Amino acid sequence: DAGVIQSPRHEVTEMGQEVTLRCKPISGHNSLFWYRQTMMRGLELLIYFNNNVPIDDSGMPEDRFSAKMPNASFSTLKIQPSEPRDSAVYFCASSLDSGLTDTQYFGPGTRLTVL
Amino acid sequence: AQRVTQPEKLLSVFKGAPVELKCNYSYSGSPELFWYVQYSRQRLQLLLRHISRESIKGFTADLNKGETSFHLKKPFAQEEDSAMYYCALSPSGYSTLTFGKGTMLLVSP
Repeated sequence: DAGVIQSPRHEVTEMGQEVTLRCKPISGHNSLFWYRQTMMRGLELLIYFNNNVPIDDSGMPEDRFSAKMPNASFSTLKIQPSEPRDSAVYFCASSLDSGLTDTQYFGPGTRLTVL
Repeated sequence: AQRVTQPEKLLSVFKGAPVELKCNYSYSGSPELFWYVQYSRQRLQLLLRHISRESIKGFTADLNKGETSFHLKKPFAQEEDSAMYYCALSPSGYSTLTFGKGTMLLVSP
């Protein structure tokens, strides 16, 4: 099993451009999480899906950020328009939904640089 | 809202020395506590969780509700323990995690 797959691994874009980050969770996992990691704020939860439905999006910074999970094997995080302060490493994680706080399995992350 | 504090950004020790990575939390209920670890060029992964009460790679962590702490300990550090360590909290009954900012552990030979 390749684990959680994220693409691209690195993204460099200019301010104002649209950025789309992609995630494929581990097969059979029902929960998916998007995190953002910065030096100043550490690892922050952006949004959490369960069975493809957004459950908690209180961490999404503003309307420029949106996330979708059209099916159990794919999720996107979109930033439009992007700004330099969005530069960070974005992680996707997935877990089983067993009723407990399950182990989250993390992807390798996407390092985003907005110039 | 819950909060996790890891007061040390960097902890540097010599091989064979004891290690204690500090973690304090604030939460009004009964949380679940975790330690996640990220080795160089590897993914963030679970190291241990308090409800398991197990030792992983020689590390242990005890939940102290009175002091609201969940410090990670190892009696004799090894060079391969060098990594970034994150303490995390999950509110009871929830699936989400709140992470501390992490502590980089460097073990020198």
